[in-house]
Amino acid sequence: GAGVSQSPSNKVTEKGKDVELRCDPISGHTALYWYRQSLGQGLEFLIYFQGNSAPDKSGLPSDRFSAERTGGSVSTLTIQRTQQEDSAVYLCASSLDADTQYFGPGTRLTVL
Amino acid sequence: GENVEQHPSTLSVQEGDSAVIKCTYSDSASNYFPWYKQELGKGPQLIIDIRSNVGEKKDQRIAVTLNKTAKHFSLHITETQPEDSAVYFCAARFYLTTDSWGKLQFGAGTQVVVTP
Repeated sequence: GAGVSQSPSNKVTEKGKDVELRCDPISGHTALYWYRQSLGQGLEFLIYFQGNSAPDKSGLPSDRFSAERTGGSVSTLTIQRTQQEDSAVYLCASSLDADTQYFGPGTRLTVL
Repeated sequence: GENVEQHPSTLSVQEGDSAVIKCTYSDSASNYFPWYKQELGKGPQLIIDIRSNVGEKKDQRIAVTLNKTAKHFSLHITETQPEDSAVYFCAARFYLTTDSWGKLQFGAGTQVVVTP
């Protein structure tokens, strides 16, 4: 079946602009996770959804970052007033149980 | 908070040899330990996982071992092939609250290069 999809695959933006990144989880998966991966680095947890609510927002780096999930499915990660240090690959994962997470291909964000 | 350390950061092996990656974790309540493989330009893909009630698990050329007392777990790849070249991440699940699903804390990754 279809895996996790993310769009866009690449996004180039200018410093100060807002960006929206989209994640379509595997159908029926109740949990959805956002991670950030800087060049050559590990995965940094950002936020986690169970259904439409976010029990854990502890990883959001600043109040410029926000995320929402609607209908228990699609999620959007929004970064306002982007900075160069926001440049990274943003990965989304979904999960049906508390264990296995399935990752999407990621969105590569470049802030000029 | 939870910490997962992964070693080595890079690993170069000759085709056919074995590769071993080691991770340690800090939270004794962690009970789930997955390993992910990430190829260039792609998202991480689960390759094997182990739960705390099991000491070892094998899947063809891949095996994972867990030592709960020492709080470390390892990935073993035997008979390595060029297509095993990738970045490998270990992870451990830990809980913030008793009613939480918990979250995965990832190691920093190991770049494995298999040379023909």
